[in-house]
Amino acid sequence: NAGVTQTPKFRILKIGQSMTLQCTQDMNHNYMYWYRQDPGMGLKLIYYSVGAGITDKGEVPNGYNVSRSTTEDFPLRLELAAPSQTSVYFCASSYSIGGRVLPEEQYFGPGTRLTVT
Amino acid sequence: KQEVTQIPAALSVPEGENLVLNCSFTDSAIYNLQWFRQDPGKGLTSLLLIQSSQREQTSGRLNASLDKSSGRSTLYIAASQPGDSATYLCAVSQDGGSQGNLIFGKGTKLSVKP
Repeated sequence: NAGVTQTPKFRILKIGQSMTLQCTQDMNHNYMYWYRQDPGMGLKLIYYSVGAGITDKGEVPNGYNVSRSTTEDFPLRLELAAPSQTSVYFCASSYSIGGRVLPEEQYFGPGTRLTVT
Repeated sequence: KQEVTQIPAALSVPEGENLVLNCSFTDSAIYNLQWFRQDPGKGLTSLLLIQSSQREQTSGRLNASLDKSSGRSTLYIAASQPGDSATYLCAVSQDGGSQGNLIFGKGTKLSVKP
């Protein structure tokens, strides 16, 4: 299994441009997440999904959009990039074991380092 | 609102020392607590996960403890090695929620000198 993969690894955007960060997992996990990590800070949740077709906002959703058309893929869309979106973006996934609401251990991708200038 | 704090922010030790990293959280209603390792420019690697009903977990030279009532967790690293140099992140999953997202501390940057 490749686990959680993210593309691209690095990207530089100009202010106002748009892009999509790709995330794919091959572990058949039902839960998927997008976090951002600013320098010297912990990770903050942007959006999450509990299954295909279901998404919801996290702590810092402004300026982002997501979709979940398949179990494997959870792309993050940046519209009208701003310097405040310069960060490292991590995608994660986990599996909710039958009967329990909350998922278990989360697995993280390697991250996408985004700079907006 | 749950807040996770990690002390110290940075730690430098000579090789071979035993060390303790601290994590505290403000709301004791957690589902589980995870310790992660993050190498520069890399993603997060899960080290240990402790369920709220557990007191500790061990993996090799690592031992994590959890005192849910006092809102504290420690990560003990025995016989530290230069390869242990990394940033260690503590994160909690809140009980009662449906999304299971993790709330992270800012991390402790560990440097082990040969």
